[in-house]
Amino acid sequence: AQSVTQLDSHVSVSEGTPVLLRCNYSSSYSPSLFWYVQHPNKGLQLLLKYTSAATLVKGINGFEAEFKKSETSFHLTKPSAHMSDAAEYFCVVSGNAGGTSYGKLTFGQGTILTVHP
Amino acid sequence: KAGVTQTPRYLIKTRGQQVTLSCSPISGHRSVSWYQQTPGQGLQFLFEYFSETQRNKGNFPGRFSGRQFSNSRSEMNVSTLELGDSALYLCASSSLLTGNTEAFFGQGTRLTVV
Repeated sequence: AQSVTQLDSHVSVSEGTPVLLRCNYSSSYSPSLFWYVQHPNKGLQLLLKYTSAATLVKGINGFEAEFKKSETSFHLTKPSAHMSDAAEYFCVVSGNAGGTSYGKLTFGQGTILTVHP
Repeated sequence: KAGVTQTPRYLIKTRGQQVTLSCSPISGHRSVSWYQQTPGQGLQFLFEYFSETQRNKGNFPGRFSGRQFSNSRSEMNVSTLELGDSALYLCASSSLLTGNTEAFFGQGTRLTVV
C-alpha cells in the first residue's frame, strides 16, 4: 500500500519569495509521484511528475520537486511566488504494485497556498 | 485535443434519490477513474475502469457503482443518496502506458444532496 502526507495544510508567502510545500510518501515499491494543482472551481492540473530519470524534476510555471529516497520526500519548490500561484496543491502517488494498479491515485490532504502582495 | 468532459456540472438531489454522473475521457484513453472530493476527507479514490472492466475499487459502500462503455465513456451511479454524499466528483482519464503516465482530470460534477 502507498500513502502520502503533506506536512502543511496551509502555507502563506509574500509575492516574490520562495515557496516550499512538503510531501512525504510511503510505498512498498519504487513510487510514481506527482504534484497537481487545483485553482478554485477548477479541475486538477498536473504540475510535474517523478519519472526516475532524474531526482530533480522541473514542472510548469517554474515549479520544481526533488525526489529524496533516503528521506522518502518529494517537496515542491518555486524560487519566487506569483499571485497566480494561489491555489491548493496535492502530492499524489499512483498504485505501482504492477500495471493493474496504475489507475489508482492516492492523494495527500492538500496544501492551500496563499500569496500576499 | 478535447479534454475530459463531465456532465452535468452541478446537481441537486434529495435524500433517498439516485444519481448518474457521466465522464467522457480523452480520445484514445482506456482508463477512467473516479474520485470524491470533500472538505473533510479530501480526495478519495472511488474506482477505476480499464477497457470496460473495473480494475480497482476504493473503500466506498455498494451504493456507489460505475461502468464503462466500449467507447471508454464512463458513468458512476449513487443510489439511496445520503447528505454525506454531497461532494465534488472528479473523473480522470489516462492512457496508463506506465505507472507514471499522468491522469487528466475533468472539471467535476458538484453534487448537493438536500
